[in-house]
Amino acid sequence: GNSVTQMEGPVTLSEEAFLTINCTYTATGYPSLFWYVQYPGEGLQLLLKATKADDKGSNKGFEATYRKETTSFHLEKGSVQVSDSAVYFCATNRDDKIIFGKGTRLHILP
Amino acid sequence: EPEVTQTPSHQVTQMGQEVILRCVPISNHLYFYWYRQILGQKVEFLVSFYNNEISEKSEIFDDQFSVERPDGSNFTLKIRSTKLEDSAMYFCASTRESYNEQFFGPGTRLTVL
Repeated sequence: GNSVTQMEGPVTLSEEAFLTINCTYTATGYPSLFWYVQYPGEGLQLLLKATKADDKGSNKGFEATYRKETTSFHLEKGSVQVSDSAVYFCATNRDDKIIFGKGTRLHILP
Repeated sequence: EPEVTQTPSHQVTQMGQEVILRCVPISNHLYFYWYRQILGQKVEFLVSFYNNEISEKSEIFDDQFSVERPDGSNFTLKIRSTKLEDSAMYFCASTRESYNEQFFGPGTRLTVL
């Protein structure tokens, strides 16, 4: 079945650094891909999504491109802020449920 | 902006007790879900619900679990006799159309002592 694997954390960066969080997927068919974010003490929020190959999802300066040739959906941001500190989950769908990766905790230092 | 709400935010209970976790999905949504996240582990699907019946359930969702939509707004998860291993964060989610993005609530942290 469909699944995702994302890089282990925690990831610690300085403010304004470039961020990449790797995510690869395995799937039958053509799943959608998501990045969800969980800020401290809050629930899961959809950060961005892509529904087909070569689609780029973007939101709040974050981007991820659905790459079928490398089965990847890496999350990137050019210049991170302290407020980006959170746990980031790569996810896909299988039937109508969401399948999550283990999550990557991101710490941004001022 | 409409959002999914959940109550309580934290529930502490004794092993063997019944708990009911409550969710209010977004009002025009038709598909409802429960997920759980054991501390330090991934978020796992428990059950999906549509048209007043369970659409799919995972192997985690055994006879101790049940879901209900008792009125037009609430969606509940009941654990009949809690075990220590039920301690987790439980997330409710909803969506208007199946296979679309799901909107998650803030979660209920369940602690079983």
